[in-house]
Amino acid sequence: LAKTTQPISMDSYEGQEVNITCSHNNIATNDYITWYQQFPSQGPRFIIQGYKTKVTNEVASLFIPADRKSSTLSLPRVSLSDTAVYYCLVGSYNQGGKLIFGQGTELSVKP
Amino acid sequence: SAVISQKPSRDICQRGTSLTIQCQVDSQVTMMFWYRQQPGQSLTLIATANQGSEATYESGFVIDKFPISRPNLTFSTLTVSNMSPEDSSIYLCSVEGAGQTNTEAFFGQGTRLTVV
Repeated sequence: LAKTTQPISMDSYEGQEVNITCSHNNIATNDYITWYQQFPSQGPRFIIQGYKTKVTNEVASLFIPADRKSSTLSLPRVSLSDTAVYYCLVGSYNQGGKLIFGQGTELSVKP
Repeated sequence: SAVISQKPSRDICQRGTSLTIQCQVDSQVTMMFWYRQQPGQSLTLIATANQGSEATYESGFVIDKFPISRPNLTFSTLTVSNMSPEDSSIYLCSVEGAGQTNTEAFFGQGTRLTVV
């Protein structure tokens, strides 16, 4: 399984766009990229998943360049409630649902 | 999606005792997963629990310390045995379900364990 590297922490202000980049240099051909969000005292929650190019949902966008060695989670116009830890995971469909979490990025949104 | 309920939500236990954590899912699932999250750390997979077979443990975790039951397709328990303060962590159960993608995982709210 490819190892992921993310910034340990980031600060932002309300209303700004936040981009969190994750490096996964050893990503395999069949691997996909998934981002989870975790608030204190809660389990992680799925945000978005992609394989290549760009994926967008109602919460975020995920940008994946052609070489797939990195990915960027983009959160538009963050609010205080977006303060959380964000995890980037790389996995394949044949790993049976097991998730390997990296260190995550602690995002702090300030007023 | 899947809704997961864990009990207890938190507990304070004496060293040397055992605690059993329950995980109930609102739909039938093939596999359930147990994770540990030590204070200020990321999540680490403990084991995978399949109904009708013994759980599969990850490196560093053993059945004698973390026995798991999976009596049916909606329920599992994790026991933390002979506890020490180093076992103080959040324990979470998870399932893989039909969310936005077939590989989206759903988590319970976790059980915060403090061993004194």
